[in-house]
Amino acid sequence: DIQMTQSPSSLSASVGDRVTITCRASQSISKYLNWYQQKPGKAPRLLIYTASTLQNGVPSRFSGSGSGTDFTLTISSLQPEDFATFYCQQSYSTPPTFGPGTTVDIK
Amino acid sequence: EVQLVESGGGLVKPGGSLRLSCAASGLTFTSYTMNWVRQAPGKGLEWVSSISSSSSYIYYADSVKGRFTISRDNAKDSLHLQMNSLTAEDTAVYYCTTGSSFWGQGTLVTVSP
Repeated sequence: DIQMTQSPSSLSASVGDRVTITCRASQSISKYLNWYQQKPGKAPRLLIYTASTLQNGVPSRFSGSGSGTDFTLTISSLQPEDFATFYCQQSYSTPPTFGPGTTVDIK
Repeated sequence: EVQLVESGGGLVKPGGSLRLSCAASGLTFTSYTMNWVRQAPGKGLEWVSSISSSSSYIYYADSVKGRFTISRDNAKDSLHLQMNSLTAEDTAVYYCTTGSSFWGQGTLVTVSP
C-alpha cells in the first residue's frame, strides 16, 4: 500500500496569512493526488484533484502543486471559513490512502 | 443536485452485524465506482471498500476483509455495506462516496457492550 504523510500535523495562523501544507507519498503517484477540507461534524469536501485542478466552486485562493511523491496545498490568504482539517489522498492505486491530516486553527 | 444519503448506522454489540445503505440521486449512478470511507471519533479518514460500476471489481481494506461485504443495486441507485463480526475498532462515521467529488453526510456506527 502507498503511505501518505503530511506536514505539519497542525498549524496556527491568522486571517490573511499564506498557508502551505505538504503531502508526501511513499512511492510515485504521478499527479493522482486529491486535497480535501473537512470541518467538524461534516463530510470531507474535495478542493483539488489531480494535484492542481481546482474543483468547481472552490475559491481561487486554494492551489495545489507537485507530482511524483511531493505535493503542496497553498492557501494564499487565509479566510475565517478556511479553519479546518485538510487531508491529501492518493488515487493512483487501490487502496486509495489518505494522509493523516493537517489541522489549521486560529492563532 | 447530487445527494448521497446513508442509513443503517446505530449501536451494536461486539460480534454483531449491521447493514449500511446509501441512496444516490442526481447522478448517473452506473457511471461511478462507489466507495465506503470511515472515520473513527477524533481520527482521520480510512478507506474501507470499493465496488466498480458493474460490481465486477470489489476491494476491501485489510482491516475489514472477510467481515464486510460491499454490494450495489444499480436498478435502485443504492450502495450497501454488510458488516459482520463487529469490534470496537469499527466504531466510526461511515461515508458513502464516489471517491472524490461526492460524499454523503455519514452514518455513525457504534460498537459497544
